[in-house]
Amino acid sequence: NAGVTQTPKFRILKIGQSMTLQCTQDMNHNYMYWYRQDPGMGLKLIYYSVGAGITDKGEVPNGYNVSRSTTEDFPLRLELAAPSQTSVYFCASSYMVNNEQFFGPGTRLTVL
Amino acid sequence: GESVGLHLPTLSVQEGDNSIINCAYSNSASDYFIWYKQESGKGPQFIIDIRSNMDKRQGQRVTVLLNKTVKHLSLQIAATQPGDSAVYFCAESPMGQGGKLIFGQGTELSVKP
Repeated sequence: NAGVTQTPKFRILKIGQSMTLQCTQDMNHNYMYWYRQDPGMGLKLIYYSVGAGITDKGEVPNGYNVSRSTTEDFPLRLELAAPSQTSVYFCASSYMVNNEQFFGPGTRLTVL
Repeated sequence: GESVGLHLPTLSVQEGDNSIINCAYSNSASDYFIWYKQESGKGPQFIIDIRSNMDKRQGQRVTVLLNKTVKHLSLQIAATQPGDSAVYFCAESPMGQGGKLIFGQGTELSVKP
C-alpha cells in the first residue's frame, strides 16, 4: 500500500490564483481529513469527510472547499489564494473514528 | 474555546535518559487522545494513543498517561535515542465530532549524544 499520497509537494501561487491539492489513500478508509500547519504550530483542521459524498467543516474552513466523490480521493480547493494561506497542508485518513490517522507527506504552499 | 496546550515548548535530554513530554487539554468531552512525532519536512507519525476509559497505555519504549481529573496527558520515552529528536504533538478528539483531532502546539525534543 502506498498509504496517503499528496500532490504536488510544493507550489507557489500568486494572490487570487486558484488550485487544487490532491489527496488519495489506498487503504479503503472512510474518514479523511485536511489540516494546515503554520510554522512552529500544531495542525489545524480545515475540512473532514466521514465517507463518500459527506463533508463537514473543521476549525479553519474559510477560503477552502472540498469534495468527496470516491472513497479514495479527497481534493482540497483554494479558489482565491491569499498570503494567509501560505502553509503546509496535510491530508490524513483513518479506518474509523477514534483510530490512528495516517498522514501524507504534505504540500508546501506559498502565496505571493 | 477548545484547546490543547503543552507546558514545555522545548526539551533537551541526554541520550539514554528518559523523556517526559506534557500536555494539557481543556475539553472534558474528549474521549480519545493521541501522540504524534513529526520530523522536519515530514508528516506526523503515530506514536501511541489512549482512550478515556484508560489511564495508562504502554508501547515499545513509550508510555502515555492520562489524568482526566486535571485534564493532563503525558508521553514518556524510555532510554531516549538520537532518532527520537523531533517535534511531538498531542491531540484530542471530542466525542461525537467525526474523529477530528485538535492538536497542541508541539514540543521539540532534542537528544544530546
